[in-house]
Amino acid sequence: DAGVIQSPRHEVTEMGQEVTLRCKPISGHDYLFWYRQTMMRGLELLIYFNNNVPIDDSGMPEDRFSAKMPNASFSTLKIQPSEPRDSAVYFCASRLDSGTNPWVEQFFGPGTRLTVL
Amino acid sequence: GQQLNQSPQSMFIQEGEDVSMNCTSSSIFNTWLWYKQDPGEGPVLLIALYKAGELTSNGRLTAQFGITRKDSFLNISASIPSDVGIYFCAGQLYKAAGNKLTFGGGTRVLVKP
Repeated sequence: DAGVIQSPRHEVTEMGQEVTLRCKPISGHDYLFWYRQTMMRGLELLIYFNNNVPIDDSGMPEDRFSAKMPNASFSTLKIQPSEPRDSAVYFCASRLDSGTNPWVEQFFGPGTRLTVL
Repeated sequence: GQQLNQSPQSMFIQEGEDVSMNCTSSSIFNTWLWYKQDPGEGPVLLIALYKAGELTSNGRLTAQFGITRKDSFLNISASIPSDVGIYFCAGQLYKAAGNKLTFGGGTRVLVKP
């Protein structure tokens, strides 16, 4: 079974450029989460969707960050313009709504390592 | 930022040894989770705990939900080389406080040279 797919796996860009990270959740999952992982701040939730609708984006650090989920099988996280402090590993995770706590048993993708020079 | 204190930050293991790590919080949680992250991969859930005092095992892993609801422990028995990685705890106040998971800073488990 295919897990959560993220692309690209590595991205190196220059400050000021637009960056788009992509995520394909596990088929049939109806929750999708975007996280950022840094040494200083650990793993932080940026935004999550339920049935393609953004539910909580309070973790999005600034207006430079935006996320969309146009359909059940695709989501993007965009940073425009990018800054060096955005350098981090960005994870996408998905989960099937089984009527229990949707935060447990999230399946994480392999992450996108972003470096902004 | 991080609100969970996870310790130790790193540790060396020798094959066959038992390993322990813990996570403490200044506030209570009603769900504790333990994850393992291998290099270049995302975290994978190991154990979920839902009740104070609960002790749950998954193979050689055992985790406990502290009775104060402010801490949790993970033990690995008879460690093997593939236990190397970063272990994260996460706490949640489910159905309150936005439901979000709060993650610890991780315990990096390394093999003794």
